[in-house]
Parts: sequence; C-alpha cells; structure tokens
Amino acid sequence: EAGVAQSPRYKIIEKRQSVAFWCNPISGHATLYWYQQILGQGPKLLIQFQNNGVVDDSQLPKDRFSAERLKGVDSTLKIQPAKLEDSAVYLCASSRDSSPLHFGNGTRLTVT
Amino acid sequence: AQSVTQPDIHITVSEGASLELRCNYSYGATPYLFWYVQSPGQGLQLLLKYFSGDTLVQGIKGFEAEFKRSQSSFNLRKPSVHWSDAAEYFCAVADTGTASKLTFGTGTRLQVTL
Repeated sequence: EAGVAQSPRYKIIEKRQSVAFWCNPISGHATLYWYQQILGQGPKLLIQFQNNGVVDDSQLPKDRFSAERLKGVDSTLKIQPAKLEDSAVYLCASSRDSSPLHFGNGTRLTVT
Repeated sequence: AQSVTQPDIHITVSEGASLELRCNYSYGATPYLFWYVQSPGQGLQLLLKYFSGDTLVQGIKGFEAEFKRSQSSFNLRKPSVHWSDAAEYFCAVADTGTASKLTFGTGTRLQVTL
C-alpha cells in the first residue's frame, strides 16, 4: 500500500509570512494526526482528525495555526503568521481504527 | 497525563556490540507502548509495540523490547548492532483503548562506530 504522502518536503519562509502543508493519508485510514517535531525533541501532537471532524486540537496554537480535513481524506495545516519558534518538522500520520500510526516523511519548515 | 522519559540523549556503540536503549513511562494503567526509529530526513517507522500478553516483544530489524511493570520501563535491545542502525529512536505511550494517539519521549540518538 502507498504510504502517507506529504508536501512540500522543505519550506523556508520569513517570520510573519504564511505557509501551508499538505498531507494525503493511507487509503481507508479514518484517523489523521499532525505532529510538530522541533529539533532535538520528540514529536508533539498538534491535532487529531477522525474522518473530517476534529477529535483533539488542545495543543494547537489556534491564534496562528489552523487545520482542515475536507471530505475526510487529505488534510492541510496552515500557519499564519509564522514565528521563528515554528521552525520544525511537521509530520502527518494516519491510522485505521486504533491501529498503530503510519508516518509520512514530514515537511521541514525553517522560519528566518 | 501520560509521559515518557528517555534518559540517554546520545549513545555510541561499536558495530557488532549489543545495544540497550532505556525508556520509562508514567501512566495510570497498563499502557500501550511503542518504539519508533527515525533516520535523517525520514518519517518514523514502527519497530515494535506492546499491548498485552508476553512482556518480551519482538520487532523488525532484530530488535526486541521488554515491558517491566514494576520498573515502569520498556527498554529496547538488540544483540548485535549494524552500522545501518544509526538513527534516532523514540519510545512512545498511547492511551489504553487506542494505539494511535501517542505521547513521545525526547529520543535517543544512536551512533555506530565501525
């Protein structure tokens, strides 16, 4: 089966600009997660979707981050405006029911 | 809330030597436990998982891990390390009832010398 697809792989922006990341989960996986991985740290959950509904966004900085999963398949994570501390790898993961996660290769964001 | 501690930030071993990476968790009940590996520029790959039953679990690439409830530990082991095992290793815990909503440790970077 095809894996979790993410794009772009790399993005460099200046602070206060906006950026968007895209994720296409494995076919049939109803649950989709976005994680933020800052250099030297483990991934931290930002938001969890079940189909096209948000299950948990308690750790999403909602003043600048937003995410959507239209039609319960692809998802987009947006940052507007970006701050220096948003520099990180943004990982998308999906799962079927309560099975273990499958991760994409991530998008590395550098904010200058 | 659950948490995971990986006490070793960086470990260096010689190729062919044995490996043990430490992981301690904090959780009120019996958790679901995982080890993931991340190579540079790559996503995370699942090595093994523990849900219940036999406390010694086997994973891919010759790795195994042992769940010890009394020590709240889930250490990862490999008898003989290969140079290709150099990577970042993450221990993670999930809420009981779901295997997918994970809390990760800070990771251990493994360097393998030839």
